[in-house]
Amino acid sequence: AQSVTQLGSHVSVSEGALVLLRCNYSSSVPPYLFWYVQYPNQGLQLLLKYTSAATLVKGINGFEAEFKKSETSFHLTKPSAHMSDAAEYFCAVDSSYKLIFGSGTRLLVRP
Amino acid sequence: EAGVAQSPRYKIIEKRQSVAFWCNPISGHATLYWYQQILGQGPKLLIQFQNNGVVDDSQLPKDRFSAERLKGVDSTLKIQPAKLEDSAVYLCASWNRDRGDEQYFGPGTRLTVT
Repeated sequence: AQSVTQLGSHVSVSEGALVLLRCNYSSSVPPYLFWYVQYPNQGLQLLLKYTSAATLVKGINGFEAEFKKSETSFHLTKPSAHMSDAAEYFCAVDSSYKLIFGSGTRLLVRP
Repeated sequence: EAGVAQSPRYKIIEKRQSVAFWCNPISGHATLYWYQQILGQGPKLLIQFQNNGVVDDSQLPKDRFSAERLKGVDSTLKIQPAKLEDSAVYLCASWNRDRGDEQYFGPGTRLTVT
């Protein structure tokens, strides 16, 4: 069965610092992988997705993620955090057109 | 284009009462999903529709939860009777698989069972 694991339920960074949110997947076939962001009292918004094209995927709001098959990872990064990036981030894998989500990482941005 | 609409946004009920949620997907999206998101967890799929047929309801607690998608457009999710552990955000999403697009999520309904 496919699954994703997000390491760290909370990540705290200073404004302007590098953001790194970790996601590892388990899949027997090349997966489709996604990162979603959720702001308080809102639904999920797609940040970026990997669909077996380029391994480095660029998304919205300056985020990007790199698919590493050897490490079964799909970590999310942003070079410089902004206060508006504070939110919950979810990694997900596509399993027969259904999304299986990780438990989420809450990003806190300190001024 | 308009997004996925859900109502109500918030609902508070007592245990053993019933409640219903409504979802209107993006026009033309044949696939519709209901997810349950418990506080501190990622969303978990409850049921998936393709047009007005159920594709996957393996994680739907069928003794108390039911869902339908009338005419392959709007959908309702019902809980009867509600339990304390049903307190969660219920998210609706829709997808146009033919376009290879993404899943679009509604704002969710936050249910509190007291």
